Amino acid sequence: GAVVSQHPSWVICKSGTSVKIECRSLDFQATTMFWYRQFPKQSLMLMATSNEGSKATYEQGVEKDKFLINHASLTLSTLTVTSAHPEDSSFYICSARGVLRLNEKLFFGSGTQLSVL
Amino acid sequence: QKEVEQDPGPLSVPEGAIVSLNCTYSNSAFQYFMWYRQYSRKGPELLMYTYSSGNKEDGRFTAQVDKSSKYISLFIRDSQPSDSATYLCAIEAGKLTFGQGTILTVHP
Repeated sequence: GAVVSQHPSWVICKSGTSVKIECRSLDFQATTMFWYRQFPKQSLMLMATSNEGSKATYEQGVEKDKFLINHASLTLSTLTVTSAHPEDSSFYICSARGVLRLNEKLFFGSGTQLSVL
Repeated sequence: QKEVEQDPGPLSVPEGAIVSLNCTYSNSAFQYFMWYRQYSRKGPELLMYTYSSGNKEDGRFTAQVDKSSKYISLFIRDSQPSDSATYLCAIEAGKLTFGQGTILTVHP
């Protein structure tokens, strides 16, 4: 099946620093990638939709200047959390849409646990 | 009203039991219906994918969709301790909307 690789799996950083998370589709081209945020025992909340070669579309309430998304190629999207604060601590998950047969399915990365001290 | 409602549980069953997980949704434009399984601190894994009313079976898992009632279900037969995880329904109409997730524990 399709594989999405997300790196790093966990990161601890100091308040005020920036953290970059990478999401790669390993065996298919992903024109669209999605970034989610998940708090403990809560569901996935869509943060933004990333389209290759264009600006990301952010969901209401998500600060685009704080969560920078770059989708420079058909296999790589990055999320940079700028000037991180403790309230940004969360589980971040990416997903990529591939075209399989006549349906498009979403495959998820393994997630990144961010802890901001 | 949330677009997708899912009972968060937690749900605890003995090994071998039949598990029933359910979601309701409000938007009749939703076209695709999915169930994901998520282990702690991992990304969701796609279990079932369907787009029409009726039943779809895959091994011990059966997904059921009733578009007239806006109701979807996932049944797990002969549940195993390894099935212990959070199960998320997800419904799509352009973008994916997740239910809250149901925490399932299958005890030996």
